[in-house]
This record gives sequence, structure tokens and C-alpha cells, in this order.
Amino acid sequence: QVQLQESGPGLVRPSETLSLTCGVSGFSISTDYYYWGWIRQSPGKGLEGIGIMYHNGRAYYNPSLKSRVTISLDTSKNQFSLNLKSVTAADTAVYYCARLPDGGVWFFDYWGQGTRVTVSS
Amino acid sequence: QSALTQPASVSGSPGQSITISCNGSSSDVGIYNLVSWYQHHPGKAPKLIISEGSKRPSGVSDRFSGSKSGNTASLTISGLQAEDEADYYCCSYTSSNTFVLFGGGTTLTVL
Repeated sequence: QVQLQESGPGLVRPSETLSLTCGVSGFSISTDYYYWGWIRQSPGKGLEGIGIMYHNGRAYYNPSLKSRVTISLDTSKNQFSLNLKSVTAADTAVYYCARLPDGGVWFFDYWGQGTRVTVSS
Repeated sequence: QSALTQPASVSGSPGQSITISCNGSSSDVGIYNLVSWYQHHPGKAPKLIISEGSKRPSGVSDRFSGSKSGNTASLTISGLQAEDEADYYCCSYTSSNTFVLFGGGTTLTVL
């Protein structure tokens, strides 16, 4: 059973970098044919895709966030991370990690439960 | 890039059927059969219930079905059950930015 679990600080100061990690169990993130990515939900709003990354470094990002986002995979620990720099209150959200199968199908088949991050001084 | 448009809320009685719409454009819903739907009970992980427009993943009830007409995708839930009360989100690949767009979400209330 594939399971994903987000972790990281619940409070980040404005202008700093938000850093989250997603631990994966039951499946190797270095397996071919799967991307690993992040989605968020701001208060009172819908979901927003942030970005996805393949183990060979191929990545796709939401253009509105691309300049501030870095997603990296640590295959030795079977986890992947999100760094979002220069955060503002608008980045306050529940952040989810998820798996996306390769092959141009563009759906997320497994998700974590989400972690709430507040940007505030 | 604007989000896909969903009704904020829908409701139905047990046993009835409901349909949730997801309005997009010719750059996303209309041109590709790549709409997915997710069920989200607050505090839990979102669950994939429909992929590629109408495909049900293993283990998902056949009470859930997906379809598309033009730039609008739809999720139909038949035989409503109390456990279906949740938030539902649509998602589509978009050629506008080579990524995905989500809808604003629809809250389903089972009366």
C-alpha cells in the first residue's frame, strides 16, 4: 500500500523559505513511470498544483509559482521535498504531496493527508 | 490561468443521483480527455475516484461515473449514501502551461 506523509514547520515567517518533506512508504520513488509532486489549498479556496518531478530530474511547475519553487527527490531516504522561497501570507495553505503516473495521464493517484502551513510574523 | 469552474455546493437525498459540473475551456477540458475527479473528506487524504475522464480506479464504487461534453466535464454519483458527503474536485491537464488546473471544489451534502 502506497502511503505518503508530509512533514515540516507549521509556521513560517514572511520572506523566508517554506520547506516541507514527503516521506513515502510502500513504493520506491526511484521507480520508473511516476512523478512526485505538491499541491496546496489556501483557506477558502480550491486546490492548486505546485509542481511535479521525476527521478531523472524532469519537472513541471505551475508557472505562477515556478520562480520560487524547488522540488527535489532523495532516493536514499525515499522522500521528496518542497522549497518555496520568499513566502507571503498568500502562501498560507494546507500542502499535500502526491504521486502522478507518467504517460501523459495527468492524475494524482495517491495523496498524503496534508500539512497546514501558516505564514505570519 | 483561471481555475476550472465548479458549483460551490450540491445536495441530494439518500438513494438519489447528483451531477457535479466542471467547466473549462478549449485549452483543457475541451481538447483532452484528461479530467480527473477527487473526493476529499476534511482532514483526510484526497482520493482519486475518476481518471482520464471516465475511468474508475480499482476499488472505487461503480456509483461514481465521469463524462464530458464540449468544455464541460461531469461527475455523477448515483444511489447517494451518507458516506458520499464530502468535497469534490475536478482537475485537468492544460496546454496553456503544460501542467494541471483544479476546480474550486464542490461540497456535497447528503440530506
